[in-house]
Amino acid sequence: NAGVTQTPKFRILKIGQSMTLQCTQDMNHNYMYWYRQDPGMGLKLIYYSVGAGITDKGEVPNGYNVSRSTTEDFPLRLELAAPSQTSVYFCASSYVRDLREPQHFGDGTRLSIL
Amino acid sequence: DAKTTQPNSMESNEEEPVHLPCNHSTISGTDYIHWYRQLPSQGPEYVIHGLTSNVNNRMASLAIAEDRKSSTLILHRATLRDAAVYYCILRGGGADGLTFGKGTHLIIQP
Repeated sequence: NAGVTQTPKFRILKIGQSMTLQCTQDMNHNYMYWYRQDPGMGLKLIYYSVGAGITDKGEVPNGYNVSRSTTEDFPLRLELAAPSQTSVYFCASSYVRDLREPQHFGDGTRLSIL
Repeated sequence: DAKTTQPNSMESNEEEPVHLPCNHSTISGTDYIHWYRQLPSQGPEYVIHGLTSNVNNRMASLAIAEDRKSSTLILHRATLRDAAVYYCILRGGGADGLTFGKGTHLIIQP
């Protein structure tokens, strides 16, 4: 039972490079989320999606882009990497829009930009 | 979402009960109280949620004050594997993600 899978687990980028963080879930969840977590802090929402073809901004969207072409996949793209984007990135999913519904998280991608 | 307040850290001994408090004095009538925990180098993990009544599951219990302005997560018999950061989160309306504070860093002594 894979749940939410994130790749890669670790990555080092140079300033100005681009990359895509991959997230896939096998639970047929409609809702998917991207968060970032800076050292010693809680998670902050970057983008979320309520279904294929629908995405919306969270609290800290600047410098990121997302797409949702399938129910399973929700990739996060960094176009011009900056040191401020050094963080741990978590993808999550949930089944329905229900206040009782828990979110299921992946194990994260640790990204350093030098 | 309304704000929650938790102690920065707590320490307990293995095999003893742990009570993790959370204050949420501005909670609205429709906000659910959720708890997540984050083990080292892992993503957050759902623990429990409740609205008004106390709740129990295989991981923990949640005690909610009668006025709903505070709640307590109870780990009945802590193990070393329970050492983690515990987040108390209020879920209001909307599909937006969870709002995480800094949580409580729980340290378990053997």
